[in-house]
Amino acid sequence: GQQVMQIPQYQHVQEGEDFTTYCNSSTTLSNIQWYKQRPGGHPVFLIQLVKSGEVKKQKRLTFQFGEAKKNSSLHITATQTTDVGTYFCAGKRQAGTALIFGKGTTLSVSS
Amino acid sequence: SAVISQKPSRDICQRGTSLTIQCQVDSQVTMMFWYRQQPGQSLTLIATANQGSEATYESGFVIDKFPISRPNLTFSTLTVSNMSPEDSSIYLCSVILGLAGNEQFFGPGTRLTVL
Repeated sequence: GQQVMQIPQYQHVQEGEDFTTYCNSSTTLSNIQWYKQRPGGHPVFLIQLVKSGEVKKQKRLTFQFGEAKKNSSLHITATQTTDVGTYFCAGKRQAGTALIFGKGTTLSVSS
Repeated sequence: SAVISQKPSRDICQRGTSLTIQCQVDSQVTMMFWYRQQPGQSLTLIATANQGSEATYESGFVIDKFPISRPNLTFSTLTVSNMSPEDSSIYLCSVILGLAGNEQFFGPGTRLTVL
């Protein structure tokens, strides 16, 4: 079945450093979504990427979708302590179906 | 967006018993799903809850263990049957709005501990 791999599993940075998490699918994705989960919370939607090669920005966060629609990345510039949590990528086999989640990257930030 | 509530929010159960988790959405939704998130792990899709018909289960999950009901477009239940400690997990209900919808919304989850 479809698998979504995500690396690294954990990342610790100093406040102000950049952070990147990478996501790779074994099959072409209809779209990819990114979620953030704070400790004790549920996943919260960040963004969706649909088009091949798409790049979207949200303040310090930059999301990319690969040309082959099989990989994606999330880059955070100048991390802050509020960025801590687990970031999940999740892909869809096709629109209207359930998301398949990567294992997530847990980010910790020290000030 | 959609507001999703789940009951119970948490429970501690004895092995061999069953627990039914309820998911209520504040609007009619086309797609409802149940996920499991084991401690420190990612979300794993259990099944798609189909309105008026049997749920569609993912590999590794069976109806006898996780019976699901979806009597209408705003409500679903997931039962965890004959529980063992390995079933200790957070169970999340998730929905998609609209036929071509992509963004998924998640309920707050039900934290289950099996002793």
